[in-house]
Amino acid sequence: GAGVSQSPRYKVTKRGQDVALRCDPISGHVSLYWYRQALGQGPEFLTYFNYEAQQDKSGLPNDRFSAERPEGSISTLTIQRTEQRDSAMYRCASSLDEGLAQHFGDGTRLSIL
Amino acid sequence: QKEVEQDPGPLSVPEGAIVSLNCTYSNSAFQYFMWYRQYSRKGPELLMYTYSSGNKEDGRFTAQVDKSSKYISLFIRDSQPSDSATYLCAMSTRGSNYKLTFGKGTLLTVNP
Repeated sequence: GAGVSQSPRYKVTKRGQDVALRCDPISGHVSLYWYRQALGQGPEFLTYFNYEAQQDKSGLPNDRFSAERPEGSISTLTIQRTEQRDSAMYRCASSLDEGLAQHFGDGTRLSIL
Repeated sequence: QKEVEQDPGPLSVPEGAIVSLNCTYSNSAFQYFMWYRQYSRKGPELLMYTYSSGNKEDGRFTAQVDKSSKYISLFIRDSQPSDSATYLCAMSTRGSNYKLTFGKGTLLTVNP
């Protein structure tokens, strides 16, 4: 079956631009998570949705980062006024319910020039 | 000090060897423990999921949790070249079981 799908796979943009990263979870998964993974590190938690409700956004680095999941399925992570330090792999995961096994997508590699 | 410490390796073993991968942690509130495998350019894939202390076996993989020592292990028996990947430990608390805290990952190469 289809796994977690993220797009684009690669995004290169200039500093100061806004970017939107998309995540399409596994069908039927009510919980959706965003993580950021630096090279040589494990993923770091950013935010979590249960259906359309954002339950925890404690991992978002600052107010330039936001996420939404308006219909409880596809989610978008938006970074405004990008900075070079935002360059990383952004990963989305989903699970059947909160706390159950999280299934990760292949990520979006974001590079800020 | 990071909450979860994991030796990044790299670790290189011959095919058929028993592999031992480990993580230590400092947060005694961690209750759920996971091991993920990550192939190059792919997302992490869940291998093992355990709750609290004890052992869990799944085929060639065995996960051990020692909460008294704050130490978890993953053993791979009869290692295969296809096991070559980065192995990440992850853990979460009961109150925020959705928020995974990962180790850095250990890069494993199994040589034929």
